[in-house]
Amino acid sequence: KAGVTQTPRYLIKTRGQQVTLSCSPISGHRSVSWYQQTPGQGLQFLFEYFSETQRNKGNFPGRFSGRQFSNSRSEMNVSTLELGDSALYLCASSLSGESLLSEAFFGQGTRLTVV
Amino acid sequence: AQSVTQLDSHVSVSEGTPVLLRCNYSSSYSPSLFWYVQHPNKGLQLLLKYTSAATLVKGINGFEAEFKKSETSFHLTKPSAHMSDAAEYFCVVSSGSARQLTFGSGTQLTVLP
Repeated sequence: KAGVTQTPRYLIKTRGQQVTLSCSPISGHRSVSWYQQTPGQGLQFLFEYFSETQRNKGNFPGRFSGRQFSNSRSEMNVSTLELGDSALYLCASSLSGESLLSEAFFGQGTRLTVV
Repeated sequence: AQSVTQLDSHVSVSEGTPVLLRCNYSSSYSPSLFWYVQHPNKGLQLLLKYTSAATLVKGINGFEAEFKKSETSFHLTKPSAHMSDAAEYFCVVSSGSARQLTFGSGTQLTVLP
């Protein structure tokens, strides 16, 4: 079956702009999580959605937001981009999001560069 | 609260020799522990997971890890390294109903010919 699909793979934006990233989970998976990966901070949790509801949120400013649609696809949005937002953004899907019951499968990520 | 410490940022081994990547964790609850691998320009692939069953966990590609509660450790091992094992490895913890993964800082594994 198809894996987690993230689009676009690469993106270049200018400071102050906003960006939307997309994630299509594995068919049947209802939980989608987002992570930011940078050389300095490593992998950090952004938020997790299940059945269109945000269940958990990491320690990021309000410029970072997300949503999940009825087909479990998810988008994350970053407004008023800053240079420090340059990162690899990874999406993970799992059946339920309960780690004891299911594991997370990651997409290849979207590489965002802010100039 | 939960956290993970990977004790080595870089490990170099010769092909055919054993691999040991060290990980210590901290968790308020009974944790689930994972090892993920990331090859250059690729996403994260699950190597193995511990979820309170057997303390010795076997994963893909010959990797295994042992959960030691008394030492709060979850070290990753492989008897014989292969060139294709060169990648970055992440130890990950998830606890209770946190529904989020907390990643270690990663260990870059280099395999020398």
